Amino acid sequence: AQTVTQSQPEMSVQEAETVTLSCTYDTSESDYYLFWYKQPPSRQMILVIRQEAYKQQNATENRFSVNFQKAAKSFSLKISDSQLGDAAMYFCAYRMEYGNKLVFGAGTILRVKS
Amino acid sequence: DGGITQSPKYLFRKEGQNVTLSCEQNLNHDAMYWYRQDPGQGLRLIYYSQIVNDFQKGDIAEGYSVSREKKESFPLTVTSAQKNPTAFYLCASSGPGGLLAKNIQYFGAGTRLSVL
Repeated sequence: AQTVTQSQPEMSVQEAETVTLSCTYDTSESDYYLFWYKQPPSRQMILVIRQEAYKQQNATENRFSVNFQKAAKSFSLKISDSQLGDAAMYFCAYRMEYGNKLVFGAGTILRVKS
Repeated sequence: DGGITQSPKYLFRKEGQNVTLSCEQNLNHDAMYWYRQDPGQGLRLIYYSQIVNDFQKGDIAEGYSVSREKKESFPLTVTSAQKNPTAFYLCASSGPGGLLAKNIQYFGAGTRLSVL
């Protein structure tokens, strides 16, 4: 069974600085999708960024980028120029190419200090 | 506006009572999902439905039931058999637009269920 591990329960970052959230996963599949979701205090889950496993190029969305290491089964999220609005719980998630289920990690709480 | 609407926002259940959580989407999505979120844990899949009149159990289906009579609606019933129902419940959907679009799930704002 696929598993997703987020080893950092909490992280803090100073406003305008950069922070990296870690995620590792376990799968025997070669094709799959990886996601980072953000859950602010409102509890609404918001898609931050996605990565297709067959793509070697790391995905980027404005201040958010990933470091995808397929052999190491690692999928970290880098947030540049952190803003107060980035404070939230961040979840890493995995989905098989032809599957229906998202497998989530336990989440990392990100605190942004002004 | 297009989106996923969950209601109510807060729900209380008495012992032995069945309660139903509503999830409606106007995104024309084929697939819909129910997740449960507990403190310190990620989301876990309860049930999902790929098309109308069809649904499958997820990882923690015991004590829950669903129906999918309309494309827009996927209600979740928490039955009295669910002994620990207190949690935050999230509904999601994913839709047409190619394989990549199908892999993106969009979420509602959630329902918090508590036991009286």
